[in-house]
Parts: sequence; C-alpha cells; structure tokens
Amino acid sequence: EIVMTQSPDTLSVSPGERATLSCRASQSINSHLAWYQQKPGQAPRLLIFGASMRATGIPARFSGSGSGTEFTLTISSLQSEDFAIYYCQQYNNWPRTFGQGTKVEIK
Amino acid sequence: EVQLLESGGGLVQPGGSLRLSCEASGFTFSTYSMSWVRQAPGKALEWVSTIGGSGETTYYADSVKGRFTISRDNSRNTLSLQVSSLRAEDTAVYYCANGGGNSFESWGQGTLVTVSS
Repeated sequence: EIVMTQSPDTLSVSPGERATLSCRASQSINSHLAWYQQKPGQAPRLLIFGASMRATGIPARFSGSGSGTEFTLTISSLQSEDFAIYYCQQYNNWPRTFGQGTKVEIK
Repeated sequence: EVQLLESGGGLVQPGGSLRLSCEASGFTFSTYSMSWVRQAPGKALEWVSTIGGSGETTYYADSVKGRFTISRDNSRNTLSLQVSSLRAEDTAVYYCANGGGNSFESWGQGTLVTVSS
C-alpha cells in the first residue's frame, strides 16, 4: 500500500498570503495525484488532478506541482473561502490512498 | 450538472447489515467508474471500493474485503454498497463519487452509517 504523508498538519496563514502544502508518497506515483478541498460539514471537492491540472471551475490561484514522490499544492493568495482541510490522494496503485490532510486556518 | 444522492445509512448494531444506494444524474453513468469513500468522525478520507463502468471489475480496501459488496445498475443510474458484518470502526459518512479509475471527480453529500449497540 502506498502511504501518503502530508505536511504540515496545520498551516496558519493570513488572508492574502500564499499557502504551500506538501504531500509525499512512499513510492513513485508518477503524476497520478489529486488534491481535494473539504469544508466543515461538506463533501470533498476535486481541485487538482494529474498533479497539476485544475479541475473544472477551480480558480487559478490554486496550482499543483510535482511528480514521482514529492508534490505541492500552492494557493497563491488565500481568500476567506479557502480556509479548509486539503487532502492529497494517489491513483497510481490499488488501494487508492489519501493523505491525513492539512488544515489551513486563519492566522 | 452532476448530481450524486446517497441514501440508506442509519444506526445498526454490530454484526448487522445495510444497503447504501447512490442515484446519479448529469453524466453518462455507464462510462464512469464509481466509488465509495468513507470518513469516520473527525478522521481523514478512506477509499472503500470502486467498480468499473460495466460492473465487471471491482476493487476493495482490505478493511472491508469479504464484508462489503459494490454493485451498479446502469439501466437505473444507481450505485450500491451492501455492507455486512458491521463493526464499530465502520462508523462513518459514506460518500459516493464518480471516478476512482483516476481521481474522484464529483461527490455526493454522504450518508451516515453508525454501528453501535
């Protein structure tokens, strides 16, 4: 099973600042990585697939990068609606696995 | 617009069973893999199971293998998950999602399964 490890667990950021979230896979997953956003009481929402491709309707301030085992989600200028939990997920191998999540909170 | 509507959750005793359903609309159901992903209270997301578009291929997490069965009815645009031999650790919100062969593109709002005596 591929283990996905996200860092940090919590990120405190002021509105308008940049947020950088990391995700590491225990073995290479090529670019088969997705990022999701989840707000309290809501279902997750797909942000990024293929490590760097924005899903439909996702603002350009969200960007993804990386390949192999190291990945990054960057939110260029945090808006109030971006404070949430973010999960990475690999789809290179079965079973599909998620990271433990990074909570982005208001500083 | 893609819509996924789960139903069938509830309170069940340990060892009991439930059948979860997901009604899909807004996309060509038979061309998509479909999946179930769960989230225990306060915990991270956990993939449970995926079924291919034709229904012939299925995948399960080790934690549910032999106890859960995924199925689909392409004539009714419906995904199902039969959950049996339930344990306390199966308590979670169960989300239906389209995809799983790749990323999970769209998600339903979830149905809560609580396993407790």
